[in-house]
Amino acid sequence: EVQLVESGGGLVQPGGSLRLSCAASGFTFRNYWMTWVRQAPGKGLEWVANINQDGSEQYNVDSVKGRFTISRDNAKSSLFLQMNSLRSEDTAVYYCARDGSPDYWGQGTLVTVSS
Amino acid sequence: SYELTQPPSVSVSPGQTARIACSGDALPGQHAFWYQQKPGQAPVLVIYQDTERPSGIPERFSGSSSGTTVTLTISGVQPEDEAEYYCQSADSSGHHFVFGGGTKVTVL
Repeated sequence: EVQLVESGGGLVQPGGSLRLSCAASGFTFRNYWMTWVRQAPGKGLEWVANINQDGSEQYNVDSVKGRFTISRDNAKSSLFLQMNSLRSEDTAVYYCARDGSPDYWGQGTLVTVSS
Repeated sequence: SYELTQPPSVSVSPGQTARIACSGDALPGQHAFWYQQKPGQAPVLVIYQDTERPSGIPERFSGSSSGTTVTLTISGVQPEDEAEYYCQSADSSGHHFVFGGGTKVTVL
């Protein structure tokens, strides 16, 4: 059974940093693109970033360029999102998902940016 | 930046057919995917690569594509189909992805 479990969310002040993690199991992690998607409270889904199988390609939405970095550790079947210079508009539930157009999703971790 | 456009809401009576259109300039060259999301839950994939249905998704869910528009059809809508539905695809580069704004399906 495919499982994706996010962690690392919480309350952070504007300008602060946070690192999200996603532990994957139930499939061969190194064979798949991985994706982060977020959803602000009461809003729709927003694609944030994705990364290819060996980590050599990463892409992200314009609104997080230069602030967020996606990475992975295939030996530990883990996906990460380093978030710096956080803004109030980054407040959202962040989902880890398998593949570029995701077929499996985690349950999400809430990030709140507020003073 | 690239956008996918879908109607904000669709209302349908039980047993009737709901159709949700999603339009985007790059859709003729990029596959579309559809997700169902119920309140407080993670999204669930209901259609992939325009027309394919994942295992475990009821046959009443189907997808079609024509030019710059893809359509999710729910035939014989059930009360449990009430949810938000999102289309998703990539821009012409194939590297940047986007979701439509979501369509709230209300079962009357």
